[in-house]
Amino acid sequence: GEDVEQSLFLSVREGDSSVINCTYTDSSSTYLYWYKQEPGAGLQLLTYIFSNMDMKQDQRLTVLLNKKDKHLSLRIADTQTGDSAIYFCAEMHNQGGKLIFGQGTELSVKP
Amino acid sequence: ETGVTQSPTHLIKTRGQQVTLRCSSQSGHNTVSWYQQALGQGPQFIFQYYREEENGRGNFPPRFSGLQFPNYSSELNVNALELDDSALYLCASSLGHRSTYEQYFGPGTRLTVT
Repeated sequence: GEDVEQSLFLSVREGDSSVINCTYTDSSSTYLYWYKQEPGAGLQLLTYIFSNMDMKQDQRLTVLLNKKDKHLSLRIADTQTGDSAIYFCAEMHNQGGKLIFGQGTELSVKP
Repeated sequence: ETGVTQSPTHLIKTRGQQVTLRCSSQSGHNTVSWYQQALGQGPQFIFQYYREEENGRGNFPPRFSGLQFPNYSSELNVNALELDDSALYLCASSLGHRSTYEQYFGPGTRLTVT
């Protein structure tokens, strides 16, 4: 089946690390993604990881993938108020490049 | 290099009417995917077009239809609008339907059906 689950809210202090978690069900997923959505805006592609990788780092962002548990996480180091947004986890469905999204995690960064 | 653009930004329609939304893909991209994002939800895949042909469809009724033009821009048409069609409609472009792992989204069209 196709299902992506995320916790709905996360609140952190400015300067702390944020960890946003996601679980998915489709073991045939080829790529897994993190998108950011600010209020009233479209989705910004932050990073993605191929399913045969365990980790990917890109500046303040670290993606960890546990394929056995179908668990994906996004760590944001030194979180800033500008990181406040909704973060979506998504998996790439094998057929036709369809993305399956979670409900999104609203990250609130307090000064 | 221009990003993905969509028009209009906002739209208000009455139940039963028809609507056309437009998307211009990122320069060099030949694949466009459309998504519907209801309030408080993640985007849901509607369909994808590659080189003017439909290349995959989600669980949406036939009154949702699309077109892709030779310049790879795309339209989403919705007939017989229902209240539940109120949502943000997003298009995403990518390079090649077999290399669709990077999909870049436009800002969306906010459709309100009254």
